[in-house]
Amino acid sequence: NSKVIQTPRYLVKGQGQKAKMRCIPEKGHPVVFWYQQNKNNEFKFLINFQNQEVLQQIDMTEKRFSAECPSNSPCSLEIQSSEAGDSALYLCASSLSGQGARDTQYFGPGTRLLVL
Amino acid sequence: GQQVQQSPTSLVLQEGENAELQCNFSTSLNSMQWFYQRPGGSLVSVFYNPSGTKQSGRLTSTTVIKERRSSLHISSSQITDSGTYLCAIAGNKLTFGIGTRVLVRP
Repeated sequence: NSKVIQTPRYLVKGQGQKAKMRCIPEKGHPVVFWYQQNKNNEFKFLINFQNQEVLQQIDMTEKRFSAECPSNSPCSLEIQSSEAGDSALYLCASSLSGQGARDTQYFGPGTRLLVL
Repeated sequence: GQQVQQSPTSLVLQEGENAELQCNFSTSLNSMQWFYQRPGGSLVSVFYNPSGTKQSGRLTSTTVIKERRSSLHISSSQITDSGTYLCAIAGNKLTFGIGTRVLVRP
């Protein structure tokens, strides 16, 4: 059973507002992933970290999203200026390895963001 | 085109029936995972299955990497099996299929 913790479970924001969500990975997992699942059930990889360093991120994440995984603090994903199209379920996952994702990724329950 | 294709997109079963879900991928991979997603969002890893056959209870996964396909077999389905089953291929990140929505009726 996954022990990845995500908060909050639900988030409602107005367009243009900041939206911040947090993730505590499983103990001992140095790699953290963020995914976005839209209303059509499509998953999109956003960014991943190994310890505090970014391994990969997509363009969207570079421009409007900020993410970090500071040591001894929860990881966070923040949308700087929310848009309606950002409404989605944001899933955090952690694993032992980010190299080829050879280890199972364990997912949290997600933060469901609604941008009005 | 889509790298991971799942079929069928949805499935309705009578309790007790068996089902086979398919996952085909168009790219080489290091490994793949099957997930179950409960209504409401939580993703649970069902199988991490680089190749071959694995069984867990009533679920069996068979992956043939050379043929770029994987299947998930549900035997003697139960109402609690209802949900979405997703396969994902693993490179440096997971690439998901769209999922198969399964509804098991009493």
